[in-house]
Amino acid sequence: GAVVSQHPSWVICKSGTSVKIECRSLDFQATTMFWYRQFPKQSLMLMATSNEGSKATYEQGVEKDKFLINHASLTLSTLTVTSAHPEDSSFYICSATPGTAWREQFFGPGTRLTVL
Amino acid sequence: QKEVEQDPGPLSVPEGAIVSLNCTYSNSAFQYFMWYRQYSRKGPELLMYTYSSGNKEDGRFTAQVDKSSKYISLFIRDSQPSDSATYLCAMKNSNSGYALNFGKGTSLLVTP
Repeated sequence: GAVVSQHPSWVICKSGTSVKIECRSLDFQATTMFWYRQFPKQSLMLMATSNEGSKATYEQGVEKDKFLINHASLTLSTLTVTSAHPEDSSFYICSATPGTAWREQFFGPGTRLTVL
Repeated sequence: QKEVEQDPGPLSVPEGAIVSLNCTYSNSAFQYFMWYRQYSRKGPELLMYTYSSGNKEDGRFTAQVDKSSKYISLFIRDSQPSDSATYLCAMKNSNSGYALNFGKGTSLLVTP
């Protein structure tokens, strides 16, 4: 099946710093990528949807100036958490689709962010 | 009330047992019902999906949807240690594009 990677898998940072998380589709071109967040013992929640070359669409309640998404190519999307705070500590997971069908949404392994 | 409710477990069963995993939901507009399996340090992968009500079988796995009760189930027959994973239910309506509504996931451990 299609493979999506994320880097890093785990990051610890100090409060106030920015952190960049990469999501790559390794064996297909992803017309659309999605970013999810999962707090402990909670559901995966969609944060934003990004299409290559255009601005991301953010879900209600997600601060677009805090969570910067760049989908610069058909195989790479990045999520930058700016001025991170402890409440941003979470599990961030991306998914990507070649755009052929809604069920063809392939997930990355996730990134654990801990903000001290 | 959350749109999708799922007991996080953990659920521990002996090898060979029948496993029943369940989710309830509140949004009657949901039409597509999915089960994802997630192994440790891996992303969720689509296991099965069902459109509207009814049953769907795939090998040892059976998915059931009861829209009247807003209740879905995944049954695993002859469970194996390799089935140990987190199982997430997810749902969507016809007009929501790729947006999925996930449950919290149930952690399953199948012991030899």
